[in-house]
Amino acid sequence: DAKTTQPTSMDCAEGRAANLPCNHSTISGNEYVYWYRQIHSQGPQYIIHGLKNNETNEMASLIITEDRKSSTLILPHATLRDTAVYYCIVRDGSSNTGKLIFGQGTTLQVKP
Amino acid sequence: DVKVTQSSRYLVKRTGEKVFLECVQDMDHENMFWYRQDPGLGLRLIYFSYDVKMKEKGDIPEGYSVSREKKERFSLILESASTNQTSMYLCASSSQRNEQFFGPGTRLTVL
Repeated sequence: DAKTTQPTSMDCAEGRAANLPCNHSTISGNEYVYWYRQIHSQGPQYIIHGLKNNETNEMASLIITEDRKSSTLILPHATLRDTAVYYCIVRDGSSNTGKLIFGQGTTLQVKP
Repeated sequence: DVKVTQSSRYLVKRTGEKVFLECVQDMDHENMFWYRQDPGLGLRLIYFSYDVKMKEKGDIPEGYSVSREKKERFSLILESASTNQTSMYLCASSSQRNEQFFGPGTRLTVL
């Protein structure tokens, strides 16, 4: 699975959009981009995933560049409860086991 | 509401004890996973299972074994606990090619 690079930490004001970048320059054609987050003392939580088209759900939007070498997770109106570590992961879509490789993630601090 | 449950949130054991960590999922998922999480090292995969009675080693299987006798249950076994196995243990499940759902974690301390 391709490696990902994320900033170690970011701050965001409450009510503003949080834009979390991820580089995955070695991604291959059948690898999906997944985002998870982990709130302190809880297990990771799935947010969203995509292959090449932009995706949106009730939690967030995922913007993937045309060359697929990077992506951005957008939380449109961040709240204090969105403070967490956010993980960007690329995974082979043809794998049946769903194995994920977690990196260090980005610690997002939402401030009042 | 989908659920992955783990037998304990906190556990304290002594060096040399045999430790069982249990994980149960109610989503009829084929795949189940055990991770450990340590400060500065992130989540690391210990073992996973893609079917009943099937298991595969992850990145750090040494000192651990697993058991999957029923589809909904995946157990992690520390045959002889050591202090370097003090960690947060996380269980997850997924259907084929889909997102993983995680349990709340078990914080294990080995004295």
